[in-house]
Amino acid sequence: IAGITQAPTSQILAAGRRMTLRCTQDMRHNAMYWYRQDLGLGLRLIHYSNTAGTTGKGEVPDGYSVSRANTDDFPLTLASAVPSQTSVYFCASSRTGAVDTEAFFGQGTRLTVV
Amino acid sequence: GQNIDQPTEMTATEGAIVQINCTYQTSGFNGLFWYQQHAGEAPTFLSYNVLDGLEEKGRFSSFLSRSKGYSYLLLKELQMKDSASYLCAAVDSNYQLIWGAGTKLIIKP
Repeated sequence: IAGITQAPTSQILAAGRRMTLRCTQDMRHNAMYWYRQDLGLGLRLIHYSNTAGTTGKGEVPDGYSVSRANTDDFPLTLASAVPSQTSVYFCASSRTGAVDTEAFFGQGTRLTVV
Repeated sequence: GQNIDQPTEMTATEGAIVQINCTYQTSGFNGLFWYQQHAGEAPTFLSYNVLDGLEEKGRFSSFLSRSKGYSYLLLKELQMKDSASYLCAAVDSNYQLIWGAGTKLIIKP
């Protein structure tokens, strides 16, 4: 049982480079999310998708883009990485986008931009 | 602005009871979540409260007071495996989750 899988697990990236973080879920959940988690701060929503074909901006979307071509995949792209994007990135999914729905998280991608 | 406050760190003894508090200030309110996150791992769902009162789920209970903007997570019969961070998140009027920074719980033998 995979649930939700992120790749890579960790990455060191040179500033200015482009990077795509991959996220795949096999639970047929409609809603998917990307968060970043920084020490001393709560999880912050970057982008979300309530259903395949639609995406929306979260609290901190600048410098990131997403796509949702199908139900299972929700990649996050950093067009030109900057050191402030050093963080742990979590992908999550929920059965629906309803407010009371439990979210399932991937194991995270630890990204260091140097 | 919107804000979630919870203690940064707490220490408790194996077998004891601990209460982790969370206060929230949000534009509107549509419920509150608690998640558990072990170090280096993904958060996992513990509870969701939208109505006032206490909800019990095994050793874990969650309480909500909407009038006070307050919630707590109660952990009974503490085990070493309960050492983790506990994340509080409130749902605002736009149905967005506002997350606290988490409370790191250290369990000592």
